[in-house]
Amino acid sequence: DGGITQSPKYLFRKEGQNVTLSCEQNLNHDAMYWYRQDPGQGLRLIYYSQIVNDFQKGDIAEGYSVSREKKESFPLTVTSAQKNPTAFYLCASSIGRQYNEQFFGPGTRLTVL
Amino acid sequence: AQKVTQAQTEISVVEKEDVTLDCVYETRDTTYYLFWYKQPPSGELVFLIRRNSFDEQNEISGRYSWNFQKSTSSFNFTITASQVVDSAVYFCALSEGYTGGGNKLTFGTGTQLKVEL
Repeated sequence: DGGITQSPKYLFRKEGQNVTLSCEQNLNHDAMYWYRQDPGQGLRLIYYSQIVNDFQKGDIAEGYSVSREKKESFPLTVTSAQKNPTAFYLCASSIGRQYNEQFFGPGTRLTVL
Repeated sequence: AQKVTQAQTEISVVEKEDVTLDCVYETRDTTYYLFWYKQPPSGELVFLIRRNSFDEQNEISGRYSWNFQKSTSSFNFTITASQVVDSAVYFCALSEGYTGGGNKLTFGTGTQLKVEL
């Protein structure tokens, strides 16, 4: 079945540690995205990538980093510089043409203790 | 700057009632797309509909219908004869395209719909 997988579903880390969230898609989509969702809020864009080996900052990129070495994979690292990392993180992908709908993974809930 | 407003934070209805979720948007683009997504308790966003700025025809899909009115910058979503399974958070989103492809979505803050027996 085609889709987007994110792992793990729940993640706990100590303050000051970097942590990497996984996102893999087998939809053959060119574009991939990372969003952050806080309680009672909409989704905010962290980073996006339109093609392999290229990515751009979204609205809240500070304290995060990404890589796009393969079309299928777009991992997100939450660094110790991120002031408030506890949140629900969603990965999405879309066909590269403009205005196409994004398809989302199941999300990773990160809690920093 | 683009903006999406979902003024209804939470709506509670009894099963079989009709319910309308409001969405108002702001954009300077002449070409744009609007989307609705459903987020059930599991957390994954489910795509419901995409609408472009040049097509103001209403859309109906089963118990779901959408009313797009450019004159009021609104894209409202109605569920007819609501069911408990409709309980979720619903997000409206606005798209601006990027040169080279891809798609940036600006989301509203969502409306929590609770359907009770």
